[in-house]
Amino acid sequence: EAQVTQNPRYLITVTGKKLTVTCSQNMNHEYMSWYRQDPGLGLRQIYYSMNVEVTDKGDVPEGYKVSRKEKRNFPLILESPSPNQTSLYFCASSLSYRFGETQYFGPGTRLLVL
Amino acid sequence: SQQGEEDPQALSIQEGENATMNCSYKTSINNLQWYRQNSGRGLVHLILIRSNEREKHSGRLRVTLDTSKKSSSLLITASRAADTASYFCALGKTDAGGTSYGKLTFGQGTILTVHP
Repeated sequence: EAQVTQNPRYLITVTGKKLTVTCSQNMNHEYMSWYRQDPGLGLRQIYYSMNVEVTDKGDVPEGYKVSRKEKRNFPLILESPSPNQTSLYFCASSLSYRFGETQYFGPGTRLLVL
Repeated sequence: SQQGEEDPQALSIQEGENATMNCSYKTSINNLQWYRQNSGRGLVHLILIRSNEREKHSGRLRVTLDTSKKSSSLLITASRAADTASYFCALGKTDAGGTSYGKLTFGQGTILTVHP
């Protein structure tokens, strides 16, 4: 089944404790992206990747890191999480970045930083 | 605003009625997409309409795009309780060279409630 998977789905952590949220897609998509969703603010893009080893900042990249060493995986790293990073996070992928393709979303990761 | 603005913010209807949601924007776009999100879950793509298209259909969904007015509408006909969800428009934009970089800018969504 074609899908985007994220792990973990739920995470409670404390300020400053490094964490990684994994994202994997099995559709051989070039483009991958991370969003966060907050009440009243909608979805905002954190980072995106147009292909392996090509990443760039989205609208709200502060406090986050990403890497794209393999085409299928795009982990989101919070080196020193803070309470303002409490949010619902979504990974998405699309076939290509070039022509405005449909994006396929993962199920989301709900993060609480205490 | 760089993002689409959906209207209304919330819509409550009875099963069998039609639901219309609107999205207005201010920038030039390459395409406009509509997504559905069931409470707290991932977004599901509904329809993509490109800037040179005026109308698209998919099952009970009809999307229109008026680039002169910078607006789009999503019509759900004969709504069902299962259509209860949040609906987002997302703007696909391009740079001066015509490359979209896959970037989608989402609006804040319309919450649709369909009562049985």
